[in-house]
Amino acid sequence: AQKITQTQPGMFVQEKEAVTLDCTYDTSDQSYGLFWYKQPSSGEMIFLIYQGSYDEQNATEGRYSLNFQKARKSANLVISASQLGDSAMYFCAMRELPTSGTYKYIFGTGTRLKVLA
Amino acid sequence: DAGVIQSPRHEVTEMGQEVTLRCKPISGHNSLFWYRQTMMRGLELLIYFNNNVPIDDSGMPEDRFSAKMPNASFSTLKIQPSEPRDSAVYFCASSLNPYSNQPQHFGDGTRLSIL
Repeated sequence: AQKITQTQPGMFVQEKEAVTLDCTYDTSDQSYGLFWYKQPSSGEMIFLIYQGSYDEQNATEGRYSLNFQKARKSANLVISASQLGDSAMYFCAMRELPTSGTYKYIFGTGTRLKVLA
Repeated sequence: DAGVIQSPRHEVTEMGQEVTLRCKPISGHNSLFWYRQTMMRGLELLIYFNNNVPIDDSGMPEDRFSAKMPNASFSTLKIQPSEPRDSAVYFCASSLNPYSNQPQHFGDGTRLSIL
């Protein structure tokens, strides 16, 4: 079973509109962390936002916000007022601590976002 | 501030050759991660170190792969002998504290092509 599922391989959004990128996760741990990264065509990985499993409020960082629904095990990224520079691959990732006692870091398969002018 | 520095940026070599990828983490970060990215398998964690000690190497594909971190400012990932299926982009990342909200900061990656 996939630990991190990003069901949208590709998305289009009109410039200046908001877009939601989906991410669902699977873990039995009580304490875990969720991250979103952006990978532009140039290839680098850029950290966007973090949500801890115990955080009561949804994380926000500028135009990025995380719609965290713990019971549904979803951590969707919302980008408001899309810009052409937001066109990139977006990865959802999870840090968990399974019974083995060693932290695990898992990345989703990514969603490619294209912002249209 | 300097980010994570990886070298080389690109490497093309023939099958059977030894390949060494290098990484300098951000100063003060005590955790270092090696990832491999391919179209087929996405981004995979190969190994990570905490305070220079390997914590989890369960992602290392096979014995041909080895990683070392002799000190806090340097790590290597070695493939010997290399095979065409090792062709990928290899990322190194570092973080201040792997067990908190501190993110991993990635280097620009090494694009490896094995002919």
